[in-house]
Amino acid sequence: SQKIEQNSEALNIQEGKTATLTCNYTNYSPAYLQWYRQDPGRGPVFLLLIRENEKEKRKERLKVTFDTTLKQSLFHITASQPADSATYLCALRSNSGYALNFGKGTSLLVTP
Amino acid sequence: GAGVSQSPRYKVAKRGQDVALRCDPISGHVSLFWYQQALGQGPEFLTYFQNEAQLDKSGLPSDRFFAERPEGSVSTLKIQRTQQEDSAVYLCASSPGSTWGPEAFFGQGTRLTVV
Repeated sequence: SQKIEQNSEALNIQEGKTATLTCNYTNYSPAYLQWYRQDPGRGPVFLLLIRENEKEKRKERLKVTFDTTLKQSLFHITASQPADSATYLCALRSNSGYALNFGKGTSLLVTP
Repeated sequence: GAGVSQSPRYKVAKRGQDVALRCDPISGHVSLFWYQQALGQGPEFLTYFQNEAQLDKSGLPSDRFFAERPEGSVSTLKIQRTQQEDSAVYLCASSPGSTWGPEAFFGQGTRLTVV
């Protein structure tokens, strides 16, 4: 069956450091992978999309890598700030149908 | 409107009661998705509409769940004979294209509590 796995434990880091979140998947043949941010009581907000032929994508302090051989994506936030504290979700399009499937998310806490 | 709007924001239902959850997508968006999110979990896909056509309902957990989008804009998710396990946040998302693209927008969700 198709699975998306993200770090289940919360990630606590100090302000200014780089946060690295992991997304592993099995039984997907994704054309692209997406990362979302979700704050408590809110819906997910789209951050970045990376395509299968792209190794790396950057947007301001965010960087995403995508290794289709390892079946893994890494999501980096450089110079992290307390405002970056949230849950981060990775998402993959189902091989069949129209679903965009999400991982359980990793909770990030950035402390001053 | 400026974004995806869902109503009500909170709903408490007695077990066995029927509920209807509404989603107003961004005007002109072709695709509309419903998700269920349990506490501490990621969103779980329920169903997908392309305009008024329901093209994928593979995620609906039982025949108590029914969704419609009759005019290709507003959508309603209906849950009949609610059970405690239906307690969750129900999220709606819309996208301008006919498939998932980079600009998919979620509403704030409806928190359903079945007592």
